[in-house]
Amino acid sequence: EPEVTQTPSHQVTQMGQEVILRCVPISNHLYFYWYRQILGQKVEFLVSFYNNEISEKSEIFDDQFSVERPDGSNFTLKIRSTKLEDSAMYFCAGSRDRAGANVLTFGAGSRLTVL
Amino acid sequence: LAKTTQPISMDSYEGQEVNITCSHNNIATNDYITWYQQFPSQGPRFIIQGYKTKVTNEVASLFIPADRKSSTLSLPRVSLSDTAVYYCLVGVTAGNTPLVFGKGTRLSVIA
Repeated sequence: EPEVTQTPSHQVTQMGQEVILRCVPISNHLYFYWYRQILGQKVEFLVSFYNNEISEKSEIFDDQFSVERPDGSNFTLKIRSTKLEDSAMYFCAGSRDRAGANVLTFGAGSRLTVL
Repeated sequence: LAKTTQPISMDSYEGQEVNITCSHNNIATNDYITWYQQFPSQGPRFIIQGYKTKVTNEVASLFIPADRKSSTLSLPRVSLSDTAVYYCLVGVTAGNTPLVFGKGTRLSVIA
């Protein structure tokens, strides 16, 4: 069964540092997403990405965040200057379709700890 | 965007059937109902999806009444490994609005 692969599985960083989280989506997926989950809280949408541009973003996804898919393979989430409150699990997800019957396949997540 | 309401938590003994009901009173005509499962420190995993009536796969069954204002996820003969959080999501119509997760139902299976 195809998988969404995320790296690193865990990253510890100092406040103010830049972090890049990487995702290799399933090859026939066209729509890509980042979600995050702060410990003990619900899964929150960050951003969706299609055709090499952002489709939708939440209020969480401010100027400190960016996404790109530079080589048509890896899908990355960059946090430019991390804050303590960015500590969370970050999940990459993909889907073949956008609308209605939208089944997302999630990766195992990258745990980010900001000290 | 259809809002969903589910119980916060449920307990069950191993071997029992578990039914988790989700309310979605303002579901739109083109919306699908999808259930995901999440284990601790893992990403959500698709379980089942339906539009109306009943859907069954190797993992679960999904019952959707004619008015589609609710749905019930049925897990037959649960085991300890079914302990997880279960999310009911209502898929939006064509457009860019993403799937939004609620708080889900935390199912605890007891030996």
